[in-house]
Amino acid sequence: AQSVTQLGSHVSVSEGALVLLRCNYSSSVPPYLFWYVQYPNQGLQLLLKYTSAATLVKGINGFEAEFKKSETSFHLTKPSAHMSDAAEYFCAVSLSGGSYIPTFGRGTSLIVHP
Amino acid sequence: ETGVTQSPTHLIKTRGQQVTLRCSSQSGHNTVSWYQQALGQGPQFIFQYYREEENGRGNFPPRFSGLQFPNYSSELNVNALELDDSALYLCASSSGRTNEKLFFGSGTQLSVL
Repeated sequence: AQSVTQLGSHVSVSEGALVLLRCNYSSSVPPYLFWYVQYPNQGLQLLLKYTSAATLVKGINGFEAEFKKSETSFHLTKPSAHMSDAAEYFCAVSLSGGSYIPTFGRGTSLIVHP
Repeated sequence: ETGVTQSPTHLIKTRGQQVTLRCSSQSGHNTVSWYQQALGQGPQFIFQYYREEENGRGNFPPRFSGLQFPNYSSELNVNALELDDSALYLCASSSGRTNEKLFFGSGTQLSVL
């Protein structure tokens, strides 16, 4: 079985500040890990994914995440927030070699202040 | 290439009714997944179809059923609607079974009164 926990339902930052969205996972086998973004009234869009290659993963729109097995974490970061980054962010985990069905976290709403 | 399209975008039903939601997958994709997203929650997996066969099912009752057609489009049917079925229903398509990249539609917002 697998699960993810996203710490903080809301994160508020100023434009230009560092963005850090936290995700911890639980998995019985090596996981695949994902971050998706959802803008209002839209479906989810893949930001980045970890599938057992490099532990530091770069995604779209300047986001990156680091897989840390010892901490069972996959936190999402961006050096400088932009107003357009305001959205809902979802971390997800799936089991490699299994059903590959992603399990999503409850989401973190990123608020960006001018 | 065309993206994932879902219809209708909004729907209002009453308790006990039945509903059918439709999804056209992205060109070249043979896998379709359905998710239920309640307000303020993450998407919950309902089921997945791969080449017209069910390839996984989440913790949803049998009144949630689905179908995938030869052109890989899909339907989600919900019978005997309950108030708690009110949610955004998302369809996602992908190529193959590993779901390394899901392409989501914008969803169908279902309200059950």
